[in-house]
Order: sequence, then C-alpha cells, then structure tokens
Amino acid sequence: EAEVAQSPRYKITEKSQAVAFWCDPISGHATLYWYRQILGQGPELLVQFQDESVVDDSQLPKDRFSAERLKGVDSTLKIQPAELGDSAMYLCASSLVVGGGGEQFFGPGTRLTVL
Amino acid sequence: AQRVTQPEKLLSVFKGAPVELKCNYSYSGSPELFWYVQYSRQRLQLLLRHISRESIKGFTADLNKGETSFHLKKPFAQEEDSAMYYCALNSNYQLIWGAGTKLIIKP
Repeated sequence: EAEVAQSPRYKITEKSQAVAFWCDPISGHATLYWYRQILGQGPELLVQFQDESVVDDSQLPKDRFSAERLKGVDSTLKIQPAELGDSAMYLCASSLVVGGGGEQFFGPGTRLTVL
Repeated sequence: AQRVTQPEKLLSVFKGAPVELKCNYSYSGSPELFWYVQYSRQRLQLLLRHISRESIKGFTADLNKGETSFHLKKPFAQEEDSAMYYCALNSNYQLIWGAGTKLIIKP
C-alpha cells in the first residue's frame, strides 16, 4: 500500500544550525502539506502546495523557514537558523483532492530537537 | 474565527464501557468534519468523516449543528481503541485541528 515517506525520522541539532526535512507524497497526490505539531497540541499547518505552487504559507515563519516542491512531487522543508522553540514533530501529508481538504494521508513525521 | 475544541486532554474508561470523545467547532457555513486517530507508534490516519455517515471500528459521530458538536462515540470500548484522537474541520480546503484527546482503555 502506498504511503507518504519522510526523512529523517529524528533530527537533533544545535540552535543556529540549518536543518532540512524531506517528504515524498503518495504518487498522484497533487496536494502536499507540511505541519508542525508541538507536544500536547494538534497539527498546525505551515505550508500547503498544489502541485509545485504554494497555496498557503501564511503560518510559515518566513524569516527562517522555507519550503519547496520544485517538480510537484517530493518536497523539502528547511529551517535556518534553528531556534530552541522549533523543537517539535514535523508532519507531511498528501491528499488526492485538488485544492486540499478531504482525507489526508500522513507520513511518520520527523522529530526535531534543537539544543 | 474557525476553531475546533476538544475539551478533554485525557479520557480513561474501562473495557466494555461506552466512550464519548467530545468535539465542538466554530464555523460560519456548512461544516465538514473529521475524526483522525493515531495509535501508538503509528501515523495519523483518518477514522471517519461526517459526510459518509459510516461506522468505523464501531465508532460513530453525528454532526449536531445546533450545538456545533461532532462527538465521537462507541458503545463498548476495546483495549485496542487506546490512542490519540483528533477532531478536524475543513475550512477553505485546509484542516483546522483540535488539540486531541488521549483515550486510555483500562482492562
């Protein structure tokens, strides 16, 4: 069964360093989401792609975060420089539905710890 | 503003007892609501959506527009139901998530 892939699964870094996360959605899913989930809270949308275009990045801290999905398939989320408050689980999800919404399929997540 | 509230962070019930996980929402318009579940060491996955009105793993959820609620129910809890449960609202093709309820089923 097709699944969303994410790597790495765990990342420990020191503050002010750069980190990058990778996501490969289910084949054919046009919509891709990056979420941040802080312990004890629900997922918070950072950025949503429709194919290679950003649909919504209003919650993305653009001074340090960037995301791209160059060929409309896999995606990379980068943080530079990382701060202590960035420690969280970063989830990637994809959806077959054009424009988002509907059922979202999640990857296993990347747990980031910033020291 | 659109919002999803799950008032219980933790719910603990005995096996065989009824379960009700609460979800309240704030939304202007006709809402589309979902329940997602995350079992231990597994990824987040869709449990059910109100549009389909189906029962999954014995769980049902009814949309109550008057009370703006979408509570998740199961008449007889099983140990394998222990998990984190999230209620989510589709707003402008994005999901707005509640903080989640951890359900523990005691043997």
